[in-house]
Amino acid sequence: EAGVAQSPRYKIIEKRQSVAFWCNPISGHATLYWYQQILGQGPKLLIQFQNNGVVDDSQLPKDRFSAERLKGVDSTLKIQPAKLEDSAVYLCASSLAPGQALGGYTFGSGTRLTVV
Amino acid sequence: QKEVEQNSGPLSVPEGAIASLNCTYSDRGSQSFFWYRQYSGKSPELIMFIYSNGDKEDGRFTAQLNKASQYVSLLIRDSQPSDSATYLCAVLLSGGSYIPTFGRGTSLIVHP
Repeated sequence: EAGVAQSPRYKIIEKRQSVAFWCNPISGHATLYWYQQILGQGPKLLIQFQNNGVVDDSQLPKDRFSAERLKGVDSTLKIQPAKLEDSAVYLCASSLAPGQALGGYTFGSGTRLTVV
Repeated sequence: QKEVEQNSGPLSVPEGAIASLNCTYSDRGSQSFFWYRQYSGKSPELIMFIYSNGDKEDGRFTAQLNKASQYVSLLIRDSQPSDSATYLCAVLLSGGSYIPTFGRGTSLIVHP
């Protein structure tokens, strides 16, 4: 079974620029999550999708962050404009269904963003 | 008040020793608890989950849960240098959400 795919692996941008990250979950996984992990901290959920609908985006800074999962498969997370404090690793995870998260997620390899 | 707390460490143990990692949580209604291991520059991987009070063993790993005291711990027996990583505790909070809340992680260093 192929894992969760993410790209790019690394990205360096200047503040106020925009950036986009891509995630392809495990085949058949209806639930997709984006997490932000700042150095020295645990992952923080940004948004959860169930198929192509948003389940929870309460911690997504909506003035600058946006995410979509148009066809219920792969997803894109965008930041515009980026700030220095957005420097972090952005992790994508998936599960068969929300309840399946009880067994733990499968995380992608993440995108390390550096804003200078 | 932080919902899931871990000592950031680092916790340093000699090879072959038992490493003990602790996590406390504030939500008394929490039901499910997870331990993830994260190597430097890598994504978290699930190593243990536990639902019931008591111990759960899997190879060299033992998870211990005490709901009355609101803590969960991870014991690693016969620690190896390859166990050197950050260990993240995650808790499914009560209220019906299936989204784990993560602690900040404890860095473990196993020295030869």
